[in-house]
Amino acid sequence: NAGVTQTPKFQVLKTGQSMTLQCAQDMNHNSMYWYRQDPGMGLRLIYYSASEGTTDKGEVPNGYNVSRLNKREFSLRLESAAPSQTSVYFCASRPGQGDEQYFGPGTRLTVT
Amino acid sequence: GQQVMQIPQYQHVQEGEDFTTYCNSSTTLSNIQWYKQRPGGHPVFLIQLVKSGEVKKQKRLTFQFGEAKKNSSLHITATQTTDVGTYFCAGETGGSYIPTFGRGTSLIVHP
Repeated sequence: NAGVTQTPKFQVLKTGQSMTLQCAQDMNHNSMYWYRQDPGMGLRLIYYSASEGTTDKGEVPNGYNVSRLNKREFSLRLESAAPSQTSVYFCASRPGQGDEQYFGPGTRLTVT
Repeated sequence: GQQVMQIPQYQHVQEGEDFTTYCNSSTTLSNIQWYKQRPGGHPVFLIQLVKSGEVKKQKRLTFQFGEAKKNSSLHITATQTTDVGTYFCAGETGGSYIPTFGRGTSLIVHP
């Protein structure tokens, strides 16, 4: 099992460009999450999907959209990137409520 | 909304010294989880506590959940350089799909 995979690993964007971060899990987990991590700020939840077919906003959703394409895949889209979105993005999944989360390796995004 | 405060933000220790990080929640939690993130890596699950007053050990690591289920601690005895990283707690309330993470404590171990 690959666990949680994320693509790309690194990305540099110019202000105003768009991109989609991909996440996939092969553990048949119901819930998936997108976090951003900035120095000193811990992990902040952007969006989550409690189960296939549902998505909800987290703490910092502005500037992002998500799609739960199927049970395996949960993508994060930046429509018009801004320097404030420079961060490390982690996708995570878990079987269900109250379970441990499994994190992907992260995407390091720089917006210039 | 629910908040989880974690202190300290950084801790420098000499190898062999003990280390403790603390988490406090503004609300009663149904469970609390602890994760470790090595520099440049991703968070990895360590343990989950569910019961009031629960204490769990993993070798040199001791995890506690408070009686009121609003606070938790992680204690490392005799730190080693392999303990370097950031330790996060994540608390969850009943019925929620959203664990709330503390900001983490970065442990730096000097040989």
